[in-house]
Amino acid sequence: AQSVTQLDSHVSVSEGTPVLLRCNYSSSYSPSLFWYVQHPNKGLQLLLKYTSAATLVKGINGFEAEFKKSETSFHLTKPSAHMSDAAEYFCVVRGGNTPLVFGKGTRLSVIA
Amino acid sequence: DGGITQSPKYLFRKEGQNVTLSCEQNLNHDAMYWYRQDPGQGLRLIYYSQIVNDFQKGDIAEGYSVSREKKESFPLTVTSAQKNPTAFYLCASSPTGQAKGGYTFGSGTRLTVV
Repeated sequence: AQSVTQLDSHVSVSEGTPVLLRCNYSSSYSPSLFWYVQHPNKGLQLLLKYTSAATLVKGINGFEAEFKKSETSFHLTKPSAHMSDAAEYFCVVRGGNTPLVFGKGTRLSVIA
Repeated sequence: DGGITQSPKYLFRKEGQNVTLSCEQNLNHDAMYWYRQDPGQGLRLIYYSQIVNDFQKGDIAEGYSVSREKKESFPLTVTSAQKNPTAFYLCASSPTGQAKGGYTFGSGTRLTVV
């Protein structure tokens, strides 16, 4: 079975400071991992994905994530937050031929 | 442009009524999915279909029904048996059930029971 734990339900940062959104996963298979972003009342947009290639994955809008198998983690980072980054972020795992399993989300607030 | 269209964007239902949410895709994807989103609970899988005329229950299928008569369409019916239907509903698709590239999502339907 697959599961995802997002360690923070809400993260608040000042504009221009680094962003860290934490995610731990559990999977019986060699997992595929994703980060999605959702702005209010919108659908989800794929930020980045890990599918067993390079462990450091770069995504859109300056975000990146590092797959650490020993720590079963896939944390999302960005060097400098922008006001437009304020949104809900979901860490997602897939193992085998099963549907994606979503974490409960982390709401990112960016303070001017 | 290819994508997923969900309609309507907002839907109001009286208690005891069935209501059907539409999901159409022109991406030529084989697999389609319905998720329910509630505040602080992330997305939970209701039903999914990996091929036409076949579908499987997800984690919270009770009170919902689906059909997959055409590749591009995967409507979700919220029945009167669903005790707490007020939520944001998201439809998604992927080229195959493997979904190594993740899913493409629609923009959602917000259902409110009045």
